[in-house]
Amino acid sequence: EPEVTQTPSHQVTQMGQEVILRCVPISNHLYFYWYRQILGQKVEFLVSFYNNEISEKSEIFDDQFSVERPDGSNFTLKIRSTKLEDSAMYFCASKGLAGPSGQFFGPGTRLTVL
Amino acid sequence: AQKITQTQPGMFVQEKEAVTLDCTYDTSDQSYGLFWYKQPSSGEMIFLIYQGSYDEQNATEGRYSLNFQKARKSANLVISASQLGDSAMYFCAMREVLGFGNEKLTFGTGTRLTIIP
Repeated sequence: EPEVTQTPSHQVTQMGQEVILRCVPISNHLYFYWYRQILGQKVEFLVSFYNNEISEKSEIFDDQFSVERPDGSNFTLKIRSTKLEDSAMYFCASKGLAGPSGQFFGPGTRLTVL
Repeated sequence: AQKITQTQPGMFVQEKEAVTLDCTYDTSDQSYGLFWYKQPSSGEMIFLIYQGSYDEQNATEGRYSLNFQKARKSANLVISASQLGDSAMYFCAMREVLGFGNEKLTFGTGTRLTIIP
């Protein structure tokens, strides 16, 4: 069964460093998402990406964040200068064109900012 | 703005019993969808069940069913014959349509379910 994959599973970085979180969505999906879950809290929407551009973003998704689909398979989230409060689990999700069958989530990347 | 409320932070249930996880929602949209996801301790988000606002029948998927009461704005998850492997965090989420097939999900705060042998 096709699945969303994410790498790395765990990333540790120093405050102020740039990080890139990588995702490979399901191959025929057209909509791509990033969500964040701070430890012990609910999952929060960050951004949706369709047709090679951001279609919606939350107030969390400020200028420190960017997304890119550099080729036909990868979807990345970049945090330019990490802060302590960026420590969280980051989930990538993708969705096909038709039907409300839900977004398929990847296993997540746990980001720890020291 | 959409809002999802899960009022049960934690629940303990005896194995083999049925369990109901509560979810209420608020939206001004006429068309919306409600999801339940399971998050085991390993952290991944597993899609369980979906209910559309125009669906007349309650959704069912195996041991999972969704008790959808539109007038009360509730979408409770019912797990029948609970198993030890059901121990996990459960999130209710609402789909907001962004247009052209695109959507975003708003999640509740979750309920931690523990199944007791």
